[in-house]
Amino acid sequence: DTAVSQTPKYLVTQMGNDKSIKCEQNLGHDTMYWYKQDSKKFLKIMFSYNNKELIINETVPNRFSPKSPDKAHLNLHINSLELGDSAVYFCASSQVEGGQYFGPGTRLTVT
Amino acid sequence: KQEVTQIPAALSVPEGENLVLNCSFTDSAIYNLQWFRQDPGKGLTSLLLIQSSQREQTSGRLNASLDKSSGRSTLYIAASQPGDSATYLCAVRPGDDKIIFGKGTRLHILP
Repeated sequence: DTAVSQTPKYLVTQMGNDKSIKCEQNLGHDTMYWYKQDSKKFLKIMFSYNNKELIINETVPNRFSPKSPDKAHLNLHINSLELGDSAVYFCASSQVEGGQYFGPGTRLTVT
Repeated sequence: KQEVTQIPAALSVPEGENLVLNCSFTDSAIYNLQWFRQDPGKGLTSLLLIQSSQREQTSGRLNASLDKSSGRSTLYIAASQPGDSATYLCAVRPGDDKIIFGKGTRLHILP
């Protein structure tokens, strides 16, 4: 059984479009995260979210917004996509003070 | 501001050798430190998690140490195998819901 899953695995879209990436975890963790891995393979946190608080990395454009319908899901919505948004996006989850478990990633290509 | 540095950036060693990967961090106030591996085009796999109160963790041929006071962690891989070839990432978790990654060490085990 997959602990953290993401859909879609690949996403190709044109500039200006709005798209969403879904994430689900079945680990019962309290906190979920979104990361961006750029072309240089550097991982950077975008958001962390639990039932109480959304923490946003100050460098993330407001075109990106996380949406959490429930504790097991944290979806990422991206408006007005730009070429520079092309990257691999990873979802992760953890318990308080625990380790992080990552999803397989979504490769987003903006043309 | 917490910064994580991994040295070396890339490493090639013959099969069978023991090796050490290094990770340093600038702020010793951390919840835990986690080592991951990432295979090309894949997500992150957690290898070892060391809580701030611990000094080391072992899993099979892997041993990770943590010295908070000096801001250092090492990942020791014994009897390396070609299947160990991957990028190894070190990540520290400060006292909030963030996690800071190093840029990774690309390891290549020569058959």
